[in-house]
Amino acid sequence: GQSLEQPSEVTAVEGAIVQINCTYQTSGFYGLSWYQQHDGGAPTFLSYNALDGLEETGRFSSFLSRSDSYGYLLLQELQMKDSASYFCAVPFSGGYNKLIFGAGTRLAVHP
Amino acid sequence: NAGVTQTPKFQVLKTGQSMTLQCAQDMNHEYMSWYRQDPGMGLRLIHYSVGAGITDQGEVPNGYNVSRSTTEDFPLRLLSAAPSQTSVYFCASSYSGQPPIYEQYFGPGTRLTVT
Repeated sequence: GQSLEQPSEVTAVEGAIVQINCTYQTSGFYGLSWYQQHDGGAPTFLSYNALDGLEETGRFSSFLSRSDSYGYLLLQELQMKDSASYFCAVPFSGGYNKLIFGAGTRLAVHP
Repeated sequence: NAGVTQTPKFQVLKTGQSMTLQCAQDMNHEYMSWYRQDPGMGLRLIHYSVGAGITDQGEVPNGYNVSRSTTEDFPLRLLSAAPSQTSVYFCASSYSGQPPIYEQYFGPGTRLTVT
């Protein structure tokens, strides 16, 4: 079957760096996406990795290791507004038109 | 552009009632999808469509129907509401020229309670 594992909660302080891990099990891997969702809001797309390595977009970076079936989202210079849930997602095995999401990691940023 | 819009924002149904959740997008996206999100959980795909006239099932399709008569609209029908369908429903769209589907634009959601 397919599955994604993420920590349920992470806590950090403003200005710090936090890493949110995601391990996945799927056949026919097409890439790993990350989404952010604030309480009461809609998910918004953050990043996508199809190949191994680090992708940087401002304060956020995303990493993928296909050999380890593992990726992470790195948030630097944390701000209070980064408090949200973060979801990793992969296309379904055998059908890249379907996305399966992890259960999400709730990030709490404290002063 | 309004992006992805959903109506209604909130809805309360009684068990056995039916209703349609509306979703529309003005980005000319071919791909549209419906998800449900239960407390503390990720999003689960209900149905999706890769273009007008083409729909397919996701992870949790039972109890829901969809149709896609235009590129813009993708309504979700609850046939006979059950308390287990209490959830937040999100509609999303993306440009289908980017397979695999990885970047989706989400609507604001419909919060549905079935009593």
